[in-house]
Amino acid sequence: SQQGEEDPQALSIQEGENATMNCSYKTSINNLQWYRQNSGRGLVHLILIRSNEREKHSGRLRVTLDTSKKSSSLLITASRAADTASYFCATYDPSGTYKYIFGTGTRLKVLA
Amino acid sequence: DSGVTQTPKHLITATGQRVTLRCSPRSGDLSVYWYQQSLDQGLQFLIQYYNGEERAKGNILERFSAQQFPDLHSELNLSSLELGDSALYFCASSLTGLNSPLHFGNGTRLTVT
Repeated sequence: SQQGEEDPQALSIQEGENATMNCSYKTSINNLQWYRQNSGRGLVHLILIRSNEREKHSGRLRVTLDTSKKSSSLLITASRAADTASYFCATYDPSGTYKYIFGTGTRLKVLA
Repeated sequence: DSGVTQTPKHLITATGQRVTLRCSPRSGDLSVYWYQQSLDQGLQFLIQYYNGEERAKGNILERFSAQQFPDLHSELNLSSLELGDSALYFCASSLTGLNSPLHFGNGTRLTVT
């Protein structure tokens, strides 16, 4: 079953604009992670936010976490064509089964 | 470069056949995960190993099996292959699992004809 679900499924913006994508999950978590996947390639880890953190920054990335709403958002500022990729959130299954569950992803297209 | 090596990169085989996918984790990582990604789909968790022991199982078919060896490399065996098994298979590794980011290989693209 899906733990994380990203929204929107697809997003198309102009270079220089900001891109925001959201992730909702169903159960309590230890942490939430965001990954990027370029077409047909392996996923690349972007950022990890722990359940006791509310906001985290890394370069042009800003992640927020609202555990009361069971949701997270990823903001990419001043987007570039190279940011074109799929973005996934992943949550650690808290039931003790030691597995990370990925959402269905947001496909971001940045137009030059 | 994530440090995770998957071989082969591409595999084309016929229905009913058996294949083995190999993964060498990043140096020092003890956990290995296997995921399946079908066309335009999310990642489906198959199985996880930690230091040679199976730690978690997902929706892995009975026709699929895996193991992690003492040197920590892992193999995913797919047998009695069906057309629907065509997908990208990713291996990822992490230091421990909990609160550790996953490092992904570039995947093996399996095509069953």
